[in-house]
Amino acid sequence: QSALTQPPSASGSPGQSVTISCTGTSSDVGGYNYVSWYQQHPGKAPKLMIYEVSKRPSGVPDRFSGSKSGNTASLTVSGLQAEDEADYYCNSYAGSNNLLFGTGTKVTVL
Amino acid sequence: EVQLVQSGAEVKKPGESLKISCKGSGYTFTTYWIGWVRQMPGKGLEWMGIIYPGDSDTRYSPSFQGQVTISADKSITTAYLQWSSLKASDTAMYYCVREDIVATTVEYWGQGTLVTVSS
Repeated sequence: QSALTQPPSASGSPGQSVTISCTGTSSDVGGYNYVSWYQQHPGKAPKLMIYEVSKRPSGVPDRFSGSKSGNTASLTVSGLQAEDEADYYCNSYAGSNNLLFGTGTKVTVL
Repeated sequence: EVQLVQSGAEVKKPGESLKISCKGSGYTFTTYWIGWVRQMPGKGLEWMGIIYPGDSDTRYSPSFQGQVTISADKSITTAYLQWSSLKASDTAMYYCVREDIVATTVEYWGQGTLVTVSS
């Protein structure tokens, strides 16, 4: 199993939007509606931001949204704020109780 | 409130064995899969495997099968990650994670245990 593919970096100015892609295969992203996204600040544990493609856990701002088309999932952060600067990882169910993470994207707020 | 509290940082030599722990609380330990995620220095997250404490059913990522052992003691609501012979390449932060009820999403994370393997 290879890691899901994400762009290494993305950036935007405060108030703008940034979209991060997560590309897998029909055996993971494309085969199940179980894509999640995690935010990780330096030196901290990751935090769940989106689950089941587009659902937000309680407490996550609605500036964060998720979607999926075919074998590619996306995370959009609208109205960028300074605290959104972090690493973001996608994750997909890959069958047989296996999960697969993406390669990670560093989001910079300019 | 769900909490996963991991054991402290470890410094070991190559070839030594190690077992790190993760105590779960705030939920029914036996009815959720619990597992481990590796993060090597400056690198991304890697899902290692999970165990269902109710019956000890264990699943491993192909990348970690045979390299580590995941176990759990439901009497003390604690999961473990074990190595029989550490390598320098095992140096990483290891996160304990609890998945959702259908084991399709990592919902909760422990604080992480830093393992350093150096001669």
